[in-house]
Amino acid sequence: EPEVTQTPSHQVTQMGQEVILRCVPISNHLYFYWYRQILGQKVEFLVSFYNNEISEKSEIFDDQFSVERPDGSNFTLKIRSTKLEDSAMYFCASSEAGVGNQPQHFGDGTRLSIL
Amino acid sequence: DAKTTQPPSMDCAEGRAANLPCNHSTISGNEYVYWYRQIHSQGPQYIIHGLKNNETNEMASLIITEDRKSSTLILPHATLRDTAVYYCIVRPPYTGTASKLTFGTGTRLQVTL
Repeated sequence: EPEVTQTPSHQVTQMGQEVILRCVPISNHLYFYWYRQILGQKVEFLVSFYNNEISEKSEIFDDQFSVERPDGSNFTLKIRSTKLEDSAMYFCASSEAGVGNQPQHFGDGTRLSIL
Repeated sequence: DAKTTQPPSMDCAEGRAANLPCNHSTISGNEYVYWYRQIHSQGPQYIIHGLKNNETNEMASLIITEDRKSSTLILPHATLRDTAVYYCIVRPPYTGTASKLTFGTGTRLQVTL
């Protein structure tokens, strides 16, 4: 069964450094998402992306964050200058369409640890 | 988005059916009910979704009441591998942008021997 893959599984970065998290969505999917989960807290929506532009973003997704689809298969999340509070699990998801009856499928996440 | 209410935790004996309830009394007519689960710290796993009718797939069944104000996810023969946090999510219809999922705290299901 097709799945969303994320790399790396664990990223350790010094505060203030830039980090890029990578995702390969399911191949025929057109809508892409990033969520994050701080340890012990809820899964939170960050951003959705369609047709090479951001569809919606949350308050968390400030100027330090950016997303890109650099080629036909990858979808990336960049954090420009990491802070301690960016430490979390980051999940990528994709769906065939953005409508309510098309499920989003998630990858297993990247654990980001900021030192 | 319509809010959902789930019990914080439930236990189920292995081999028995696990019935996980969810209240969504403010759901509107065109919003879908979705169920996901999260095993340990893995990514949320899609289970099933429905609008009005009951649904069944290889993983579970979804029973939605006629007034749509509540639903029940049924795992017919729970195994230890079904131990996870289960999320009931009401998802808005397409609004011109890709509709996000809003996760609550879910129900922690513990399956025991």
